Amino acid sequence: GQQVMQIPQYQHVQEGEDFTTYCNSSTTLSNIQWYKQRPGGHPVFLIQLVKSGEVKKQKRLTFQFGEAKKNSSLHITATQTTDVGTYFCALPNTGNQFYFGTGTSLTVIP
Amino acid sequence: NAGVTQTPKFQVLKTGQSMTLQCAQDMNHNSMYWYRQDPGMGLRLIYYSASEGTTDKGEVPNGYNVSRLNKREFSLRLESAAPSQTSVYFCASSASAGANYGYTFGSGTRLTVV
Repeated sequence: GQQVMQIPQYQHVQEGEDFTTYCNSSTTLSNIQWYKQRPGGHPVFLIQLVKSGEVKKQKRLTFQFGEAKKNSSLHITATQTTDVGTYFCALPNTGNQFYFGTGTSLTVIP
Repeated sequence: NAGVTQTPKFQVLKTGQSMTLQCAQDMNHNSMYWYRQDPGMGLRLIYYSASEGTTDKGEVPNGYNVSRLNKREFSLRLESAAPSQTSVYFCASSASAGANYGYTFGSGTRLTVV
């Protein structure tokens, strides 16, 4: 089965610092999705990446899909307390359902 | 526009009891999913329904059954609850089962089995 590695598992940053989480797959992906889950909340869809080397931005969030389509990253510039939560990547399996990574829990220290 | 609605929000069961978790979506989505979330384990797919009238097993189906009652509703049943089923359960839906659509999640059911 597909293996999803998401690193780091936890990250504490001072407010204003940057943050990056990485998602690595053992297989080539057709696409990848990213979700955010606030503490005590439910996952919320952020974005989908499809093309090799694709870069998409949402305000302070930058999403990148690797050239080989086996890895992806989410970068947050100048973190704010509203960025607190767990960020998950989700990878499609052979049946086109999504399997989720274990997530990166972000804590922002004011 | 409610999106995905799950009931109940909280539940405590005794070992061996049964219960059904309800999920309904009002977005006219074709596909629906049940995930469980445990600390450090991320979200794991229990069952899914690609379209009305079909259901399939996910990663961790043992101990669960599902019913796609109609296009809107997808229920998850625990026939004989076990402590290992203590978890947060999320229902989700998407426009299609194809890997091109983001999932919309419900707010979750927090289940404790004692």
